[in-house]
Amino acid sequence: GAGVSQSPSNKVTEKGKDVELRCDPISGHTALYWYRQRLGQGLEFLIYFQGNSAPDKSGLPSDRFSAERTGESVSTLTIQRTQQEDSAVYLCASSQEGRLGAGGYTFGSGTRLTVV
Amino acid sequence: AQSVAQPEDQVNVAEGNPLTVKCTYSVSGNPYLFWYVQYPNRGLQFLLKYITGDNLVKGSYGFEAEFNKSQTSFHLKKPSALVSDSALYFCAVRDKNSGYSTLTFGKGTMLLVSP
Repeated sequence: GAGVSQSPSNKVTEKGKDVELRCDPISGHTALYWYRQRLGQGLEFLIYFQGNSAPDKSGLPSDRFSAERTGESVSTLTIQRTQQEDSAVYLCASSQEGRLGAGGYTFGSGTRLTVV
Repeated sequence: AQSVAQPEDQVNVAEGNPLTVKCTYSVSGNPYLFWYVQYPNRGLQFLLKYITGDNLVKGSYGFEAEFNKSQTSFHLKKPSALVSDSALYFCAVRDKNSGYSTLTFGKGTMLLVSP
């Protein structure tokens, strides 16, 4: 597609429920990133996928968080047993990593998750 | 390790005046540096980047940034601010030599331009 697409744009869920967020990256972009943006705070790195390599999961805050990506296609971020502190905007980005890795990211509009 | 500091939570400037949004960084090697802007209820949009070469980088919407290696800074500037420039601005860094491929972002600076 022309840009990075995320769905849903807004999600309200009850504490303890599981949620699944979707990201559709730009076609041909081998790298995909998930970030979390809490109110009044900066972007917090969650997870990074590069092609078929093992993902970098070093930013995931707990084992309730997981993400999958098949090849260079859609990614899903799953949060199990949601807590109120999970409320945030979840941003997905993709990039076409050149050999020097100098590319910037293209971000989606984000999913605003509210846990009540 | 790589990190970014944006020392100001908010910058206020009157329309027509010059603006500066500050950013300092820390990397073990040489940096790639970026500025992004976020308008309300929107994703981040790329403004400009420094990779190599000329220290003064020009980007979208009349913005520019100057890479200063000795001060490890990459401040964002614009000669004449517009009300429509009001938004949240993020500086980001990546160490060229680390092989660590993700960008590290600062906490963001809210720019408010008054009429």
